Amino acid sequence: QKEVEQNSGPLSVPEGAIASLNCTYSDRVSQSFFWYRQYSGKSPELIMSIYSNGDKEDGRFTAQLNKASQYVSLLIRDSQPSDSATYLCAVTRNGGSQGNLIFGKGTKLSVKP
Amino acid sequence: ETGVTQTPRHLVMGMTNKKSLKCEQHLGHNAMYWYKQSAKKPLELMFVYSLEERVENNSVPSRFSPECPNSSHLFLHLHTLQPEDSALYLCASSLDRVSTDTQYFGPGTRLTVL
Repeated sequence: QKEVEQNSGPLSVPEGAIASLNCTYSDRVSQSFFWYRQYSGKSPELIMSIYSNGDKEDGRFTAQLNKASQYVSLLIRDSQPSDSATYLCAVTRNGGSQGNLIFGKGTKLSVKP
Repeated sequence: ETGVTQTPRHLVMGMTNKKSLKCEQHLGHNAMYWYKQSAKKPLELMFVYSLEERVENNSVPSRFSPECPNSSHLFLHLHTLQPEDSALYLCASSLDRVSTDTQYFGPGTRLTVL
């Protein structure tokens, strides 16, 4: 079983719509959850981090975490063409390997004008 | 200069060459990482350094040899690579190796092995 799973997409949404990106993880001891955005040919850039159950909002971005269901999502409101990128979900654990990011393959988002 | 920098940005090498990738962070962080990103695969953690000590080697072949001379610099020495080693190599740093610490990535080195 893959540790972090994401739908590879592409996910296509019209400009101004809400984009919903989903991620599931297999290890129940996962502690911290991150969403990175990666433009083509560029390096990953942190968008959001979330550590406890519930929602966390930052501008147009909302991260949602449900540890019981081992599920984390990212909502992008009022999507813009500049949001078109690959979104990487990553998790870390406490313990011996704490701090090590485990990434999913990423979901490619395309926002059409 | 701020953030995490990597040189060179692009590298083409033959299988018999020896080359080195360099990473420098200007963030005052204590932990540094090497990742490999291949097409259609997740980012793979290769090595972790904390306070200049290697704390993790993720079953990486010995043809990849990391070096961390101080907390600001990280190298990846390459020798007798294979074509399947062609990938984007990313360096990252974080304040410490705590699960909540954010990792900041450099721009990466695009490596092609002929």
